[in-house]
Amino acid sequence: DAGITQSPRHKVTETGTPVTLRCHQTENHRYMYWYRQDPGHGLRLIHYSYGVKDTDKGEVSDGYSVSRSKTEDFLLTLESATSSQTSVYFCAISPYSNQPQHFGDGTRLSIL
Amino acid sequence: QQPVQSPQAVILREGEDAVINCSSSKALYSVHWYRQKHGEAPVFLMILLKGGEQKGHEKISASFNEKKQQSSLYLTASQLSYSGTYFCGTEFHGSSNTGKLIFGQGTTLQVKP
Repeated sequence: DAGITQSPRHKVTETGTPVTLRCHQTENHRYMYWYRQDPGHGLRLIHYSYGVKDTDKGEVSDGYSVSRSKTEDFLLTLESATSSQTSVYFCAISPYSNQPQHFGDGTRLSIL
Repeated sequence: QQPVQSPQAVILREGEDAVINCSSSKALYSVHWYRQKHGEAPVFLMILLKGGEQKGHEKISASFNEKKQQSSLYLTASQLSYSGTYFCGTEFHGSSNTGKLIFGQGTTLQVKP
């Protein structure tokens, strides 16, 4: 299995608080992705990275920011969490574009 | 832009076959297929690139018709372990070097004994 770890695995927080989710990989893959998954919507891309300090927006990037200062870490930040951001967040990695994406176990985030 | 998967849900008996379709309104560069079991992460099944190739994985295969902008996933002689939700992820022309996937809403497959 691809070495990919998400933390925390579960988090409950209040509206208006900042939240940071971490994705850590040990595969030295170039590409990293953040998705959210909600019932009826499948997986939706939030942001992705194609190298250190190289990031771009996905379908649903509003309200989210990312950073990648090292190959192995990709951080997703909700600057001021809202209830609509309650979701399961998945990180994925791949060595190159057009290669399989391997997913982490997900973070279940609840915003009250 | 989200591809449309059909059917939304299907129930099978062990040993039966199923087909899941994924259709796009935009020109596709590639199609990825993933399976997700309840409470788990999606797991990669296969990638199909433009050219209409067909790929196989155990008793699961898929085709990609670039002209029709659609892909189909074929599950033959289904097993209980095939149960889960199947997602297609589409990569469009113009974003072919980014790995950006737009996923369909999923097809839930339940295989009964």
